[in-house]
Amino acid sequence: GIQVEQSPPDLILQEGANSTLRCNFSDSVNNLQWFHQNPWGQLINLFYIPSGTKQNGRLSATTVATERYSLLYISSSQTTDSGVYFCAVEDAGGTSYGKLTFGQGTILTVHP
Amino acid sequence: DGGITQSPKYLFRKEGQNVTLSCEQNLNHDAMYWYRQDPGQGLRLIYYSQIVNDFQKGDIAEGYSVSREKKESFPLTVTSAQKNPTAFYLCASSRDFYAGELFFGEGSRLTVL
Repeated sequence: GIQVEQSPPDLILQEGANSTLRCNFSDSVNNLQWFHQNPWGQLINLFYIPSGTKQNGRLSATTVATERYSLLYISSSQTTDSGVYFCAVEDAGGTSYGKLTFGQGTILTVHP
Repeated sequence: DGGITQSPKYLFRKEGQNVTLSCEQNLNHDAMYWYRQDPGQGLRLIYYSQIVNDFQKGDIAEGYSVSREKKESFPLTVTSAQKNPTAFYLCASSRDFYAGELFFGEGSRLTVL
């Protein structure tokens, strides 16, 4: 099946810093989403972005489908940005249609 | 407010007991999913349902069962056959199976004593 690799695995920032999280995937995708898992465990949908660029406040994401990667940018980070960021993709081929495969996540810690 | 409600949030059970986790959504979504998350890991798909009265096995269905008798509800039963049931369980839904965006409930944390 499709492989999803996220980097870095851990990231520690001071409040106000910017960061870039990366998601590499091994095959063509129909669907790519970024999620934030808060300290209580709930996953919040950040972006649905199979291709192109989107922005939402301090967060933006870019997916370059032809090169099989996606980037999540966080600007002016805040302590509330802490948590785990997951990338999830849907393989464009075969029997995985409609099902998301998750990466291992990037653990972000923002210090005041 | 529209959303996905999971219950209970925390559950303890003894080995050999079955337990059922509830998932209810009022988003009018056709598709629903159950994922399992282990510490420090990503999510793995247990079962999914594209539409009421239909469901399919995901990647790790052994030891689990589901039903989809109503559009709003997709309960998951963790049976005694599941060898390592202690985990965080997340229910999700999407407008339809091919519609893309996935929305999650708050999760249920199951501990087997």
